[in-house]
Amino acid sequence: EVQLVQSRAEVKKPGESLRISCKGSGYSFTSYWISWLRQMPGKDLQWMGRIDPSDSYTTYNPSFQGHVTISIDKSISTAYLQWNSLKASDTATYYCARRVNGYDALWGPGTLVTVSS
Amino acid sequence: EIVLTQSPGTLSLSPGERATLSCRATDSVSSSYLAWYQQKPGQAPRLLIYGASNRATGVPDRFSGSGSGTDFTLTINRLEPEDFAVYYCQQYGSLPQTFGQGTKVEIK
Repeated sequence: EVQLVQSRAEVKKPGESLRISCKGSGYSFTSYWISWLRQMPGKDLQWMGRIDPSDSYTTYNPSFQGHVTISIDKSISTAYLQWNSLKASDTATYYCARRVNGYDALWGPGTLVTVSS
Repeated sequence: EIVLTQSPGTLSLSPGERATLSCRATDSVSSSYLAWYQQKPGQAPRLLIYGASNRATGVPDRFSGSGSGTDFTLTINRLEPEDFAVYYCQQYGSLPQTFGQGTKVEIK
């Protein structure tokens, strides 16, 4: 079965660092780009960026560039989304998705990140 | 970036009725790279339509997409109880990819 498994929910304080993960299984991980997307509580979806697992080539939404880092460890079929210094406004559910021809065809279940002092 | 505006914000309908959802873009969406997603409470979005009119695998044929350029439509014929959800359009023809704000289809 093709699936994306995301890491568990996190509760962090402002200024802390965090890395969440997305592990692909049931398919050739390096054959499909991965997107990361954000959904703030009760809000719509925002595309954060994408990464090519075969060579780690990454494209960011300018709205997120410099605040997050998207990376890959293809040896374990896992994509990551990382913050060095969280803000309260980073509180959201973060989804990874497997891209096909540009659209986000298969979504992971999401990771809820709560940032609160 | 391309801004997508969905209308209406909420659609109140009864099971068996037809739902017509609109998605309008501020600039032409290249090659009809427009997708529709369904999201139910507490769940991840699910792809319904890609390329403006192509149903994703496993999507019932009561869902159909149409349109080109700046105007796109998702039609749901004969609403089933499981279709009541929020629907988002997404353009993936230019970066950054963007989403509409969503249309909630609720039971009347």
